[in-house]
Amino acid sequence: NAGVTQTPKFQVLKTGQSMTLQCAQDMNHNSMYWYRQDPGMGLRLIYYSASEGTTDKGEVPNGYNVSRLNKREFSLRLESAAPSQTSVYFCASSEGGALEKLFFGSGTQLSVL
Amino acid sequence: AQSVSQHNHHVILSEAASLELGCNYSYGGTVNLFWYVQYPGQHLQLLLKYFSGDPLVKGIKGFEAEFIKSKFSFNLRKPSVQWSDTAEYFCAVNARSGYALNFGKGTSLLVTP
Repeated sequence: NAGVTQTPKFQVLKTGQSMTLQCAQDMNHNSMYWYRQDPGMGLRLIYYSASEGTTDKGEVPNGYNVSRLNKREFSLRLESAAPSQTSVYFCASSEGGALEKLFFGSGTQLSVL
Repeated sequence: AQSVSQHNHHVILSEAASLELGCNYSYGGTVNLFWYVQYPGQHLQLLLKYFSGDPLVKGIKGFEAEFIKSKFSFNLRKPSVQWSDTAEYFCAVNARSGYALNFGKGTSLLVTP
């Protein structure tokens, strides 16, 4: 049982480049989330998807787009990367909403030069 | 504005010392409360959670937390820490009216032998 799988684990981008972070869960969870983790800032919610077919903005959505491709997959896209988006990105899922336990992926370390 | 505050950003303790990490939140309604832990090189894991009932919650690895509604607090405690408790600890709050899980900035705990 893999849980929450994120790819890639590491990525270096140049300012202005685009990329998509992939996330998939095999627990049949309804809700999925994207967080970014910065030193001294804790985790901040970028976007979430309460259920298949829905997405909503979190605390820091600017510069990002998401797609809930199906129940398993929730991708995060940076259309034009900026140095301020250098961070560690975590995908998470839960059975219901955040009322339930969150299962986190292992993270993607992104550097934007 | 809704927020989660963790009072201590860095804590250093000797093995066998007692631990208390503070967490306060500012939400007007009913909340669910969580403590997550991130061991070095690993992703976040749920330590314990409070939804309702007994305000003293016991989690894994000997941790416990007490919900004090009048103080809007959910402090994490452990009577005797071990070197393996070295990690970053995050308090998180979910307002039951929404899906977002809001994290505090984290407390880095270093336990010395």
